Amino acid sequence: GENVEQHPSTLSVQEGDSAVIKCTYSDSASNYFPWYKQELGKGPQLIIDIRSNVGEKKDQRIAVTLNKTAKHFSLHITETQPEDSAVYFCAASNGNAYGGSQGNLIFGKGTKLSVKP
Amino acid sequence: GAGVSQSPSNKVTEKGKDVELRCDPISGHTALYWYRQSLGQGLEFLIYFQGNSAPDKSGLPSDRFSAERTGGSVSTLTIQRTQQEDSAVYLCASSLGGKLGQHFGDGTRLSIL
Repeated sequence: GENVEQHPSTLSVQEGDSAVIKCTYSDSASNYFPWYKQELGKGPQLIIDIRSNVGEKKDQRIAVTLNKTAKHFSLHITETQPEDSAVYFCAASNGNAYGGSQGNLIFGKGTKLSVKP
Repeated sequence: GAGVSQSPSNKVTEKGKDVELRCDPISGHTALYWYRQSLGQGLEFLIYFQGNSAPDKSGLPSDRFSAERTGGSVSTLTIQRTQQEDSAVYLCASSLGGKLGQHFGDGTRLSIL
């Protein structure tokens, strides 16, 4: 089955700097890679996702890159702000939607990001 | 409401008791998922419902765990004869069938004494 590794487990940056979180996956059939932000006491919130037919996707200060050959994908946050402080999770799925076990996500263990003012 | 709703938000119970956790998915979402998150850990898949198909129960850790989804909407996760290792946050997510943007509720924090 799929296995997702995430690094680093903790990351501390100064406000305004960039933050990069990296994940690797094992199942070459995986084709969907979302990133979630989880604040204390809340459920994970989807912040960006990428599909395997795309190499990079950007949404304002957040970008995700995917290298299918190497089976790794990364989250980039630029111009970090204190409100970016949270735990970030990557995930992978080979979900082709309907039915079976293909719908569930396999998560990394998370990265605790701290942005210092 | 607009998001996934879970109840209760917190549940404390004694070892050996049964518990029921409820999830109200986003209206119109055909897929519903249950995950478990232990302290400081990632999310562990438990069970997945998609439309009228048989649920994928491959993530349930033991036969003490079961879930049902009535009328294709509300879901209940039941844990029988709870053990201390069942203590965790139980998260529910839903997505629009065919699209995998899973939207999570805020979870139920379960504590077994």
